[in-house]
Amino acid sequence: GIQVEQSPPDLILQEGANSTLRCNFSDSVNNLQWFHQNPWGQLINLFYIPSGTKQNGRLSATTVATERYSLLYISSSQTTDSGVYFCAVDLAGGATNKLIFGTGTLLAVQP
Amino acid sequence: DAGVIQSPRHEVTEMGQEVTLRCKPISGHDYLFWYRQTMMRGLELLIYFNNNVPIDDSGMPEDRFSAKMPNASFSTLKIQPSEPRDSAVYFCASRRQGGGNTIYFGEGSWLTVV
Repeated sequence: GIQVEQSPPDLILQEGANSTLRCNFSDSVNNLQWFHQNPWGQLINLFYIPSGTKQNGRLSATTVATERYSLLYISSSQTTDSGVYFCAVDLAGGATNKLIFGTGTLLAVQP
Repeated sequence: DAGVIQSPRHEVTEMGQEVTLRCKPISGHDYLFWYRQTMMRGLELLIYFNNNVPIDDSGMPEDRFSAKMPNASFSTLKIQPSEPRDSAVYFCASRRQGGGNTIYFGEGSWLTVV
């Protein structure tokens, strides 16, 4: 099956720093999403980005589908950014509902 | 709009007991998903429904697990009998067909089987 790998596995930042999280996937996909799971366990959809670049405030994401990776940028990090960031993909040509989640990047932003 | 609503939020039960988790999707959403999250296996899709019909249950771990969606506003995930290895957070999620593939998760049901 498709492999979804995220790096780094964990990251500690000082408030105000920038960071880049990476998601590599092993096969062609037609759906890629980024999620944030906050320390209380809630999963929030950040981006639907099967290709191209999107920005939402301090967050932006880029997916290069031909090279099978996606990047999530966090600028001017805040303590509320702490939590686990997941990317999830769905195989191209398959059902568009079987999202396969990566193992996540655990981010801790310190004041 | 209210989000995806799950109950109970927390449950502790003894091995062998029946567990029923409940979910109310966002009104108007056509798809409903049940996921399970554990430290060892991460987030796994168990089953999903489209217009109340189960489409893919290949992620359901074994016959002890069953899911139903009797109407567009309600779904259950049942474990009978429960085992300690079923301890996990169970998430329900929903999305609207044509809704840009944005999927919305509930807050999860934290299950502990002792």
